[in-house]
Amino acid sequence: KNQVEQSPQSLIILEGKNCTLQCNYTVSPFSNLRWYKQDTGRGPVSLTIMTFSENTKSNGRYTATLDADTKQSSLHITASQLSDSASYICVVTPDSWGKLQFGAGTQVVVTP
Amino acid sequence: DSGVTQTPKHLITATGQRVTLRCSPRSGDLSVYWYQQSLDQGLQFLIQYYNGEERAKGNILERFSAQQFPDLHSELNLSSLELGDSALYFCASSVNSYNEQFFGPGTRLTVL
Repeated sequence: KNQVEQSPQSLIILEGKNCTLQCNYTVSPFSNLRWYKQDTGRGPVSLTIMTFSENTKSNGRYTATLDADTKQSSLHITASQLSDSASYICVVTPDSWGKLQFGAGTQVVVTP
Repeated sequence: DSGVTQTPKHLITATGQRVTLRCSPRSGDLSVYWYQQSLDQGLQFLIQYYNGEERAKGNILERFSAQQFPDLHSELNLSSLELGDSALYFCASSVNSYNEQFFGPGTRLTVL
């Protein structure tokens, strides 16, 4: 079973609207949780990185939250733009030399 | 530009062949990661090296091997290639396991 589950699998939103992506994980203990944006055919680009003691981190119109007690994170996109169309991936780093745990990603499509 | 370089950008080869993918990390980064991404699939972690030593292993097939050289560049060797090995192969680098990973542009491998 994957230790990082993302929902929804895909999402279509109108330009200018907000949306929230979810990430639930079972990795414990963990060092940090990251959100990446991946355009089709390109390498992922880091949006936010949070340690277990942080609750929120913003990067422009992207805001990530983390609840270490419930093992949930969310990524909120504000005032979406067409360029936000991409896959958003949640990644959890174990608190040791171990393999990173990747979510399957949420595919976001922003329409005019 | 992430600062991570990968060569070649594209590679077309036949089943049964062997190929080598090359990655140069960002200056100062000691950790190198390899990922495989098949069409419409999520990122699959293959292997991580830190300062020349293997640190974590993911879903890497026995036909695949990697190494990190003293100058910190890394190579991923894929042998006895099968059609299913066709994918994008990404390399990423970071200072260590707990810092942000920077992804290269990827090598697109097509096995015919």
